[in-house]
Amino acid sequence: DADVTQTPRNRITKTGKRIMLECSQTKGHDRMYWYRQDPGLGLQLIYYSFDVKDINKGEISDGYSVSRQAQAKFSLSLESAIPNQTALYFCATSAGLAGLHEQFFGPGTRLTVL
Amino acid sequence: GDSVTQMEGPVTLSEEAFLTINCTYTATGYPSLFWYVQYPGEGLQLLLKATKADDKGSNKGFEATYRKETTSFHLEKGSVQVSDSAVYFCALRAYGGSQGNLIFGKGTKLSVKP
Repeated sequence: DADVTQTPRNRITKTGKRIMLECSQTKGHDRMYWYRQDPGLGLQLIYYSFDVKDINKGEISDGYSVSRQAQAKFSLSLESAIPNQTALYFCATSAGLAGLHEQFFGPGTRLTVL
Repeated sequence: GDSVTQMEGPVTLSEEAFLTINCTYTATGYPSLFWYVQYPGEGLQLLLKATKADDKGSNKGFEATYRKETTSFHLEKGSVQVSDSAVYFCALRAYGGSQGNLIFGKGTKLSVKP
């Protein structure tokens, strides 16, 4: 089984709808991250969490919210989806500081907002 | 702020050709540097890293040397294979307000033809 899983893998929705993307990990890592990937723009950090009680905004948090339900679960919500949120979303985990410890990525969720 | 600049892609090579993907960075202090690879349909995975000047990271035939004098971390491989076709991301560990999170370049797509 994969260490970092994301559901759903693909989602098509309409403008204004609320969407939740879920991430689960079995690596026992405290740190979890949500990234967005757009063609030609690389990865941009949306939110990150160092433990269940610690949530931090990344560089592009506007329009997104997160919930850390447990050490192993980190959900990303789009309260009212808009077309420019169409992108590939990745969840990642690490054992410690991202620069000192390898980040492990999930397979991604492809979201299309019509 | 801290940033990473990669050469524009896509890069198309024939099997057994020599590969270089350029990466330069801007950062305060002495960042750690990374190359991540994303195979089609998958999340990113760490390819190699270097944590101080003149360090060489290597893995799967790929190499990159941390050059402080030129602020570069170019990725090289002497003989590419079709299975190396992927998107390659250069990244650095940020300091300060980003609490050690990774900053990614925009990615370079490599296609290797048989």
